[in-house]
Amino acid sequence: QVQLQESGPGLVRPSQTLSLTCTVSGGSISSGGFYWSWIRQHPGKGLEWIGYIYYSGNTYYNPSLRSRLTISVDTSKNQFSLRLNSVTAADTAVYFCAREADGASFDIWGQGTMVTVSS
Amino acid sequence: QSALTQPASVSGSPGQSITISCTGTSSDVGGYNFVSWYQQHPGKAPKLVIFEVSNRPSGISNRFSGSKSGNTASLTISGLQAEDEADYYCSSYTSSSRVFGGGTKLTVL
Repeated sequence: QVQLQESGPGLVRPSQTLSLTCTVSGGSISSGGFYWSWIRQHPGKGLEWIGYIYYSGNTYYNPSLRSRLTISVDTSKNQFSLRLNSVTAADTAVYFCAREADGASFDIWGQGTMVTVSS
Repeated sequence: QSALTQPASVSGSPGQSITISCTGTSSDVGGYNFVSWYQQHPGKAPKLVIFEVSNRPSGISNRFSGSKSGNTASLTISGLQAEDEADYYCSSYTSSSRVFGGGTKLTVL
């Protein structure tokens, strides 16, 4: 079955760029039909949708993050990635990658990775 | 986009039924039949339990059911079990993004 796994630094300095990668196994990103998403959860708080990418490279971003955000896909590696510029402590969160399926539901999730923004 | 409104907490005894509400607007919950619900245990990733308002994914117990009326969606869990104790989140499609509720902590007494 399809599995997702996040990877990347757990600590990022303020004003720097947060970069994470999600590796998809058990299925191909290029098969289509799904949107590959990033979602975050601030400590002790609820979920926040960050954005998604389709295998073709089409992206859709949360308007509140759009100016700092880039989501990209590498179909040859079956991976998609997140880059968030000019981070502050407010970007400290657990970051999940997820697959968006029918009816904008997120049916498969990675385990999540904690990213702390601190000097 | 504002988060959807959920009660902070609900509780129930084993065997009872509980309902969690999720209130939005005509731009999200009320405008589309694209509401989903997630169960999250501490330290774990969310798990999809309901999609498209009332559909259960394969492997999800029929004790979980969903509905919608106007701008409010609801998740009902019947025959409460200890393992149901978790945080629950609703989510909705909007034309410009996806939006989540603030989450509801379910306590099984």
